[in-house]
Amino acid sequence: AQTVTQSQPEMSVQEAETVTLSCTYDTSENNYYLFWYKQPPSRQMILVIRQEAYKQQNATENRFSVNFQKAAKSFSLKISDSQLGDTAMYFCALGSYNTDKLIFGTGTRLQVFP
Amino acid sequence: GAVVSQHPSRVICKSGTSVKIECRSLDFQATTMFWYRQFPKQSLMLMATSNEGSKATYEQGVEKDKFLINHASLTLSTLTVTSAHPEDSSFYICSASSISGASSYEQYFGPGTRLTVT
Repeated sequence: AQTVTQSQPEMSVQEAETVTLSCTYDTSENNYYLFWYKQPPSRQMILVIRQEAYKQQNATENRFSVNFQKAAKSFSLKISDSQLGDTAMYFCALGSYNTDKLIFGTGTRLQVFP
Repeated sequence: GAVVSQHPSRVICKSGTSVKIECRSLDFQATTMFWYRQFPKQSLMLMATSNEGSKATYEQGVEKDKFLINHASLTLSTLTVTSAHPEDSSFYICSASSISGASSYEQYFGPGTRLTVT
């Protein structure tokens, strides 16, 4: 079975600082995708960053970067220069090549303080 | 970018009635659409996967006779909650997948529908 674990229910960070959200996963598949989604109060799911498991290089999107450790099945999200607009729920998700399904973690609520 | 819409955004219905939620991919063809349910302060739980022109595949524990899914075209999927009860009140989210290229798999999410059953 595929599982995604986010062990931090809530995190807070001061504006302009850096914060790292943790995610671990388990899968028996060799090919898969990993995602971080942001869900602000509007509840619209927004893709933050995506990592293909076969790529060794960590994905980066502006202030967002990941630390992908395939052997450890770890996929953490680093947010640099945090902004008030980053306040949201963040979900880590595992995508299967075989089934097209996404398995979501339980989420981390991030609060950015001024 | 790829846009997915849902209608209605909010709906209130009486217990025992049925309600239909539409999910549309506006600028791409979606061979697969997904329906999720999200309870307050919880994660998204996949209810079912639908492919255009075929029957939906339901996740374990989801009643297929209660949650009817139709995927009649490459841009439209509908979820009908039949004989709704207060415990069906929830936030329902759809997504659509578009595969463009060998490494571009992604799901695009609709804005969600808040269902309240009174």
